[in-house]
Amino acid sequence: EAQVTQNPRYLITVTGKKLTVTCSQNMNHEYMSWYRQDPGLGLRQIYYSMNVEVTDKGDVPEGYKVSRKEKRNFPLILESPSPNQTSLYFCASWGNYEQFFGPGTRLTVL
Amino acid sequence: DQQVKQNSPSLSVQEGRISILNCDYTNSMFDYFLWYKKYPAEGPTFLISISSIKDKNEDGRFTVFLNKSAKHLSLHIVPSQPGDSAVYFCAASARYGNKLVFGAGTILRVKS
Repeated sequence: EAQVTQNPRYLITVTGKKLTVTCSQNMNHEYMSWYRQDPGLGLRQIYYSMNVEVTDKGDVPEGYKVSRKEKRNFPLILESPSPNQTSLYFCASWGNYEQFFGPGTRLTVL
Repeated sequence: DQQVKQNSPSLSVQEGRISILNCDYTNSMFDYFLWYKKYPAEGPTFLISISSIKDKNEDGRFTVFLNKSAKHLSLHIVPSQPGDSAVYFCAASARYGNKLVFGAGTILRVKS
């Protein structure tokens, strides 16, 4: 089954404690993205990647890092999380003229 | 500066009637548009798309219309069903595979 998976689905952490949200797709897509969803703001792109070792900033990249060492994986790294990064995060991969989204990770930073 | 706007936060429609969701954009470089549907606790799922070379695309009960001169697109759902109740996001891209810019979403409620 074609899918995008994310882990963890839920995470509560404290300010400053580094964390990584993993994302994996099994569709051999070249393009992958991370979004955050906040009330009234829709989905805003954090980072995207057009291929292995090729990443670029989206609209709200501050406070986030990504890496793309393999085609299937695109982890999102928060080196020093802050409360304003409390949000719902979605990973997505793109192919066949549509983006497939993961189920989401709800992150709370206290 | 919101490049993609969905000005109606919510819409309520009777089962069997038509639902029309609207979306406006400001960037004339956008050439590919998509609609996504999102249920609570799930990721958005792709619904239908349209490229700028077309003005209409249909898929079953769903039709997307694009008016490039007005920088406006709309999603028509006919007939509406209770299972269509969800948040609908409009998205636009300036190049296939490039970043998608999303609207804020419209909550559709279909009453039975």
